[in-house]
Amino acid sequence: GAGVSQSPRYKVTKRGQDVALRCDPISGHVSLYWYRQALGQGPEFLTYFNYEAQQDKSGLPNDRFSAERPEGSISTLTIQRTEQRDSAMYRCASSLVGGNTEAFFGQGTRLTVV
Amino acid sequence: KNEVEQSPQNLTAQEGEFITINCSYSVGISALHWLQQHPGGGIVSLFMLSSGKKKHGRLIATINIQEKHSSLHITASHPRDSAVYICAVTSGTYKYIFGTGTRLKVLA
Repeated sequence: GAGVSQSPRYKVTKRGQDVALRCDPISGHVSLYWYRQALGQGPEFLTYFNYEAQQDKSGLPNDRFSAERPEGSISTLTIQRTEQRDSAMYRCASSLVGGNTEAFFGQGTRLTVV
Repeated sequence: KNEVEQSPQNLTAQEGEFITINCSYSVGISALHWLQQHPGGGIVSLFMLSSGKKKHGRLIATINIQEKHSSLHITASHPRDSAVYICAVTSGTYKYIFGTGTRLKVLA
């Protein structure tokens, strides 16, 4: 596709359920980032992939959060045993190569845990 | 203290006014980015700069590396400029560090 595509756009889930958020980056983009954005705040870094390699997962809040990008293209962010505090906008971005090239952001997935 | 600070946090202007949003950072950077977040949630990259000044239409971005400061200017502001403007820096090869954003509202 022409841009970064995220699905679903909105997800409401019950506390304790697992959720999987999908990111389809721009074709050919090597770098893929996941961010989380709370209301009224800037995005916060979660994790970074270079091709299929997860090179930095220092922003993942705890071990309930995991991400993969098995073929160096589509990525999935999984949250296990969701909690209400996980409610946020989850954003994916991709760039050609690293942070010194322009990043393109997806529309985000608004996750609400009830 | 955040590594990237923006001011003001909120800004209301009348149509036609000249607007300035400021960004200060405390880390060494390889590039600084200005982003626009639309009311619908989408984020668009406006500028990426590492020195000097860039202009695109009514938008101008400047950076002073020595002072670790950047400004985003909007000339002849219009209600469609209403959005959240986010300053972000890249420090190293990939990691973006974001400011909290400036919420701009331009009144007709």
